[in-house]
Amino acid sequence: EAQVTQNPRYLITVTGKKLTVTCSQNMNHEYMSWYRQDPGLGLRQIYYSMNVEVTDKGDVPEGYKVSRKEKRNFPLILESPSPNQTSLYFCASLSGTSGGSSYNEQFFGPGTRLTVL
Amino acid sequence: GDSVTQMEGPVTLSEEAFLTINCTYTATGYPSLFWYVQYPGEGLQLLLKATKADDKGSNKGFEATYRKETTSFHLEKGSVQVSDSAVYFCALTGVENTDKLIFGTGTRLQVFP
Repeated sequence: EAQVTQNPRYLITVTGKKLTVTCSQNMNHEYMSWYRQDPGLGLRQIYYSMNVEVTDKGDVPEGYKVSRKEKRNFPLILESPSPNQTSLYFCASLSGTSGGSSYNEQFFGPGTRLTVL
Repeated sequence: GDSVTQMEGPVTLSEEAFLTINCTYTATGYPSLFWYVQYPGEGLQLLLKATKADDKGSNKGFEATYRKETTSFHLEKGSVQVSDSAVYFCALTGVENTDKLIFGTGTRLQVFP
């Protein structure tokens, strides 16, 4: 089954304790991205990657890092989490060739609910 | 910059009622427009899309028409079901960056029997 998986689905942590949220897709997509969802703000892009070893900032990258060592994986790293990073996080991957077609569909993972105390 | 504005929710309806969720956009050029749906506890799923003016996207009884003159992409369904209860997001992809989705704030729909 074609899918995007994220782990963990729920995480409660404390300020300053480094964490990683994993994301994996089995569709051989080149383009992957991370979004955060907050009430009244919708989804905002954190980082994206157009291919292996190619990453770039989205609209709200502060406090986050990403890496893309393999095509299928795109982990989100919070080196020193703070309470304002409490949010619902979604990983997504894009069908088709990145940057090319407006017919491309983004496939979303199930989400990771993060609480930073 | 590009942006999407959706009506605030929640929208509360009885089963078989008519649904409209308003969406307007601001964009340079002619973006592609999307509606995504988020069921409780799940990620977002593409519901329908339209890539040029006057296109009508449709799926599962939902429809939306790309209106360039009013910069709108309102979502409609003639007869909602309890199973349609979810959060609906209007989104566009930028003209310069066709991979990046710009979302509205989402509208929660609650359908009661």
